Amino acid sequence: DGGITQSPKYLFRKEGQNVTLSCEQNLNHDAMYWYRQDPGQGLRLIYYSQIVNDFQKGDIAEGYSVSREKKESFPLTVTSAQKNPTAFYLCASSPTPDSYEQYFGPGTRLTVT
Amino acid sequence: AQKITQTQPGMFVQEKEAVTLDCTYDTSDQSYGLFWYKQPSSGEMIFLIYQGSYDEQNATEGRYSLNFQKARKSANLVISASQLGDSAMYFCAMRETYYGGSQGNLIFGKGTKLSVKP
Repeated sequence: DGGITQSPKYLFRKEGQNVTLSCEQNLNHDAMYWYRQDPGQGLRLIYYSQIVNDFQKGDIAEGYSVSREKKESFPLTVTSAQKNPTAFYLCASSPTPDSYEQYFGPGTRLTVT
Repeated sequence: AQKITQTQPGMFVQEKEAVTLDCTYDTSDQSYGLFWYKQPSSGEMIFLIYQGSYDEQNATEGRYSLNFQKARKSANLVISASQLGDSAMYFCAMRETYYGGSQGNLIFGKGTKLSVKP
């Protein structure tokens, strides 16, 4: 089945540690996105990538880093510089950067204590 | 700057009845797209319906329809014949279309929690 996978579903880390969230898609989509969702809030864009080896900052990129070495993979690293990392993280992809529809993964809930 | 406003934090509807979820938006651009997503308790975002700013007809997808009133900058979602499985968070979102067809980033509202009562 084609789709987007994010692992793990739940992730726990100690404050001061970097943590990497996985996002893989087998839809052959060019564009991929990372969003953050806080309780009672909508999604906010962290980073996006329109093509392999290229990515752009979204609205809240500080404290995060990404890479896009392969078309199907777009991992997000939450660094110790991110002041409030506890949140729900959603990865999405679209066939092209100009496609209007984005397909979302199941999300990873990160808790940092 | 773009902005999406959903004024209903929570809504209740009786099973089999219709419900309208409100969404207003603010943009200075003429070309944009409006979206509705459903987020069940499991967390994934499910695309429901899309309306382009130049589309003259209101979008419909099965039991979902989008009541688009451009002059009022509103894009309300209407769910007909509600089902228990419709209980979820619903998010309105907007994306500007730039000259040449490239798309801006999706901007989301804060969502409305819909509860369907049996």
